[in-house]
Amino acid sequence: SQQGEEDPQALSIQEGENATMNCSYKTSINNLQWYRQNSGRGLVHLILIRSNEREKHSGRLRVTLDTSKKSSSLLITASRAADTASYFCATDEKAGTYKYIFGTGTRLKVLA
Amino acid sequence: DSGVTQTPKHLITATGQRVTLRCSPRSGDLSVYWYQQSLDQGLQFLIQYYNGEERAKGNILERFSAQQFPDLHSELNLSSLELGDSALYFCASSVDGTSDDTQYFGPGTRLTVL
Repeated sequence: SQQGEEDPQALSIQEGENATMNCSYKTSINNLQWYRQNSGRGLVHLILIRSNEREKHSGRLRVTLDTSKKSSSLLITASRAADTASYFCATDEKAGTYKYIFGTGTRLKVLA
Repeated sequence: DSGVTQTPKHLITATGQRVTLRCSPRSGDLSVYWYQQSLDQGLQFLIQYYNGEERAKGNILERFSAQQFPDLHSELNLSSLELGDSALYFCASSVDGTSDDTQYFGPGTRLTVL
């Protein structure tokens, strides 16, 4: 498996429900970022969490990071149809190689 | 609109051909990244440049090459194209190319190799 694997691969929920996506990674990291991609478009940065942080909030987004388990979760509260997109986590390698590794993403569908 | 521009938007070509994809970063950004996204795949990091110099290399094939010019725009050259090279190619830019820097993505170039 590759660095930055999201789970589940696809998620379908009703508008107003919460959506939780998970990301696992392999190596030690400096930070982890979440991005969103609307179908066929470029990615948009959502939030960054550093390795010494455990939780971070931005609007309806909540990100947690557990470095002991090498995992992160993205929670979108009170989801809207406009949240329908693919969500990717991206991790750097602590070795400082400047490489950023993106996972395969979670496809979220929010039904109105 | 991220401020990153990519041309062309679509490209259709035949196997064995060579193409050049162009990227203009956001004003003020010194670092450019190239990514490949195949159907139903995540983003594969290809290469990163910072202020004209190669900074990091990912899974970039030997048939592919890139460069960043003094005006900071970048080009990705793909040669001896194969069917499997059909993909979306994204360029992203960031201010200083460090790992905690936000990357701003362009709209992508969709390459179809027939």
